Amino acid sequence: DQQVKQNSPSLSVQEGRISILNCDYTNSMFDYFLWYKKYPAEGPTFLISISSIKDKNEDGRFTVFLNKSAKHLSLHIVPSQPGDSAVYFCAASDRGGADGLTFGKGTHLIIQP
Amino acid sequence: DAGVIQSPRHEVTEMGQEVTLRCKPISGHNSLFWYRQTMMRGLELLIYFNNNVPIDDSGMPEDRFSAKMPNASFSTLKIQPSEPRDSAVYFCASSLRGFADTQYFGPGTRLTVL
Repeated sequence: DQQVKQNSPSLSVQEGRISILNCDYTNSMFDYFLWYKKYPAEGPTFLISISSIKDKNEDGRFTVFLNKSAKHLSLHIVPSQPGDSAVYFCAASDRGGADGLTFGKGTHLIIQP
Repeated sequence: DAGVIQSPRHEVTEMGQEVTLRCKPISGHNSLFWYRQTMMRGLELLIYFNNNVPIDDSGMPEDRFSAKMPNASFSTLKIQPSEPRDSAVYFCASSLRGFADTQYFGPGTRLTVL
């Protein structure tokens, strides 16, 4: 039973346009959400996070939106750059629980020149 | 400031051999995690430690897998005997404030069992 789902295995976006990566979750106890970025042959690197008390968090070109009623979050990258080509993992946790982070399977973002 | 360090980066071994993967967490972090990544299952948490104590090893696939953390700056993941289906990338991660907080990953060890 996948508690964190990234339904798009891959996404292709033209350079300069907006990239939108989506993530859905099923566990209503999740209260902290993160996005990680992973290049080939490297470990995932933390990108941005959001607490459930917020619905938006912005850091430069990256914005994460959280819709708690829909149990959905998204990562917006604007404008998209070639260096953004990577696999993006969504992760969620219940900070009061004991299960650590639960990861989605990732979305491979490809930025086309 | 060094990140999480893992060794070796690549390991190729034959079925039945013992494999030991090593991890040095970020200094000052009190939680350490071992993950396995495969195409089929994505990132799976195998085990995590809080203050060097194993908290949850329910993700460890079989008794062939064991993990230790003898001190705050070192952990090992051992597979004995190894099997071809263990081939995967194994990541170690650490966090400052516990198991549900932001985790910082090492570069991973790519294990191939022939």
